[in-house]
Amino acid sequence: SAVISQKPSRDICQRGTSLTIQCQVDSQVTMMFWYRQQPGQSLTLIATANQGSEATYESGFVIDKFPISRPNLTFSTLTVSNMSPEDSSIYLCSVESADYEQYFGPGTRLTVT
Amino acid sequence: GQQVMQIPQYQHVQEGEDFTTYCNSSTTLSNIQWYKQRPGGHPVFLIQLVKSGEVKKQKRLTFQFGEAKKNSSLHITATQTTDVGTYFCAAIRTGNQFYFGTGTSLTVIP
Repeated sequence: SAVISQKPSRDICQRGTSLTIQCQVDSQVTMMFWYRQQPGQSLTLIATANQGSEATYESGFVIDKFPISRPNLTFSTLTVSNMSPEDSSIYLCSVESADYEQYFGPGTRLTVT
Repeated sequence: GQQVMQIPQYQHVQEGEDFTTYCNSSTTLSNIQWYKQRPGGHPVFLIQLVKSGEVKKQKRLTFQFGEAKKNSSLHITATQTTDVGTYFCAAIRTGNQFYFGTGTSLTVIP
């Protein structure tokens, strides 16, 4: 299994600002994913980040709002841009093993005021 | 988008009672996975089922994949307080699209 860290673990931000969340993995992985989980809800996939190519976004998520970087096989960032209170959520990154098992980071708890 | 539904949404059981959560999809699934998320934690992989009709066991947990590969279940025998959390199924459809179910929150009353 992979060990995944995320920064920051939590933040409180003002509306209209942007926050960049970092995800670091202790091994090289091809597939990295970004999810959003609102309180008491399930996980919603935002996008898939592959190294060397543009991220693939799920329906309802766009690059202008959630730009993603994937500069190498161990690191990715997700930016939540021009935030509103509706963006308050937990953001999780995950990686996929060769057997399609997903391993999650601890999450970033974002509150937008 | 397509959803993977789980029932029940919530379940309260007395410690020692059994618990089952069901996962249903309207489309055929390639694989299905189960995750557990403790309160305040992140999802942790439990198991993956691949074959039609497959049954796997992990101690008190029994996982089953339906014959038509459209549904799955997780059964816990004799629940313990350490079983508390939300159980998610995650469906992998053709094309490796990955969707989490709606989740079942389990509370175990000591």
